[in-house]
Formats: sequence, C-alpha cells, structure tokens
Amino acid sequence: EAQVTQNPRYLITVTGKKLTVTCSQNMNHEYMSWYRQDPGLGLRQIYYSMNVEVTDKGDVPEGYKVSRKEKRNFPLILESPSPNQTSLYFCATITGTHEQYFGPGTRLTVT
Amino acid sequence: KQEVTQIPAALSVPEGENLVLNCSFTDSAIYNLQWFRQDPGKGLTSLLLIQSSQREQTSGRLNASLDKSSGRSTLYIAASQPGDSATYLCAVRRANYGQNFVFGPGTRLSVLP
Repeated sequence: EAQVTQNPRYLITVTGKKLTVTCSQNMNHEYMSWYRQDPGLGLRQIYYSMNVEVTDKGDVPEGYKVSRKEKRNFPLILESPSPNQTSLYFCATITGTHEQYFGPGTRLTVT
Repeated sequence: KQEVTQIPAALSVPEGENLVLNCSFTDSAIYNLQWFRQDPGKGLTSLLLIQSSQREQTSGRLNASLDKSSGRSTLYIAASQPGDSATYLCAVRRANYGQNFVFGPGTRLSVLP
C-alpha cells in the first residue's frame, strides 16, 4: 500500500529542545515536501526536495532544517523550537501524475 | 507573489443540492492546480488535478474547471451528500519556481441531511 508516514503524530515539547519529525514514503518518489498548517493562514510550504541531497526553501523556512540523505526519508528538524512553531505539520510527495500525496500530519505544541 | 483565495470561506447546504466552490489566484503562471479535501484533524486527500493546458477534469460527482487567463478555478459538486462535509482546498504549483506550491485558505462545507 502506497504510504507517507510521519512520526510522531503528536508531540508536546518545551522551548529550545531540539526535535526531529520524520517522514518516510514507500513509493520511490523523488520529490518530498514539508508544510505547516495554521488557522487563518492555511498551508504554507517550509522546504522541499527534488531528489537525494537536493533541497530548497519554501515560503516559511526560518527556524527549520531538512536533510535528504536517502530517497525514502525527509526529516524535519527544529534545532531550537519556539512557541510560534506550534502547528500542524504535513509531509507530502508528488506522484508520477504530478499529484501531491500527503501524510497524516504531526501536531506539534511548543510551550 | 502568488496569492490564492477561496470563496466562500464556509458554506452550508441541504443534501442533494449542486454547489460550486471558487478558487482564485493572482499570477497566471502556474504549472497545475489541484483540489483537495481535508476532514477535521486529518490529512489532505487529492480530488482532482488540472494541468495548466487543460480546461477541466471530472471524477464522479466532481468537476473542476480552470481559466488560467482570469486566474480562476471552480469545483462543482453534484448532488451533495452529508459525507461531502469537509474543508476543500485548492493549491497552485507555480511555474518557473521549481516545486513551489501555494494553497488557498479553504472552504468549509457542511451538507445537512
């Protein structure tokens, strides 16, 4: 079954404590992306990756890092989380027909 | 800068009605436009994808149109059902910006039994 998985699904943490949200896909897609979704602001793209070792900034990259060392994984790293990074995070890939395919989301709360 | 808006923000209709959701974008230089459905607390499910060279796409009771020159797309839902209740989002992929996508804020649809 085609899947994009994210872990953890829910996370409560404190300001400044480094964290990583993992994203993994089993479809051998080259493209992967991270979004955050906030009430009133909608979905905004954080980073995307066209292939292994190739990453690019989206519209809101500040405070985030990503890496793409292997095709199936695209972790999102928050080196020093702050309360304004409290959000719902989604990982996505693009299928061969150019459709975006989303993971189930990770709800992050930073206190 | 590409901006995407959706009207209305919320819509409530009785079961069986046909309805239209609107998506507008400010920059006509797009590669494609995709409509999604999002249930509360869940991820996004792709409904329809329209390439920039296409005028419309259909899937079951759904029909999406694209008028690139006017910066508009509509999603038509025929014979609405309570199970169609969800938030509907449109997203454009910007041409010449790699894989940059811009989402609209969504339309929250309630279909009443």
